[in-house]
Amino acid sequence: DIVMTQSPLSLPVTPGEPASMSCRSGQSLVHSNGHNYLNWFLQKPGQSPQLLIYLGSNRASGVPDRFSGSGSGTDFTLKISRVEAEDVGVYYCMQALQSPRTFGQGTKLEIK
Amino acid sequence: QVQLQESGPGLVKPSETLSLTCTVSGGSISGYYWSWIRQPPGKGLEWIAYIYYSGNTNYNPSLKSRVTISIDMSKNQLSLTLSSVTAADTAVYYCARHTPHPLAAGYYYYMDVWGKGTTVTVSS
Repeated sequence: DIVMTQSPLSLPVTPGEPASMSCRSGQSLVHSNGHNYLNWFLQKPGQSPQLLIYLGSNRASGVPDRFSGSGSGTDFTLKISRVEAEDVGVYYCMQALQSPRTFGQGTKLEIK
Repeated sequence: QVQLQESGPGLVKPSETLSLTCTVSGGSISGYYWSWIRQPPGKGLEWIAYIYYSGNTNYNPSLKSRVTISIDMSKNQLSLTLSSVTAADTAVYYCARHTPHPLAAGYYYYMDVWGKGTTVTVSS
């Protein structure tokens, strides 16, 4: 299985400030087609996960442009340009290159 | 828009079989992959299995010997059965749809629609 490791596990952020979190995979997530098979999800308190980013850097439909994904290979980053109160929750990365699909342990973003 | 609704018994006894259903409304099962994912209380997400509308399946090896997923096109439903359950199977169970994104060759499928989840507790 591909192990996904996220950091930090907890991320306190002041509203209006930027935030950044990391996801590292145990092996490269670059498919033979050149794309990175990496997704980011946000699980808000009491809700089911929602897709933010797919293929490493593509924003899902309806996702605000303050969210951006970057990286390639084994190192990926999710950035929020200006954190808003509604962004609180746990952020998960998930690899879609191999079965079984595996998730990181999550980064919990909280408002200072 | 498409909505997913998981349903099933909230309480299952140890060693028994858990059966869950995911009902798809506002859209068709046809043309998509569908996954089951679970989340133990206070913990992270674990992918269980996916199924293509045609019936092709892929299971997490850690659960493969106990899991079966299927699709009922006539009812627009997918189902999950998990046998020989233990307390470790206590979790919120989600179903999710994989939407195809066209690539230069082929498609990339991402999980963009999730149900609200159903809580299953394994206890005597």
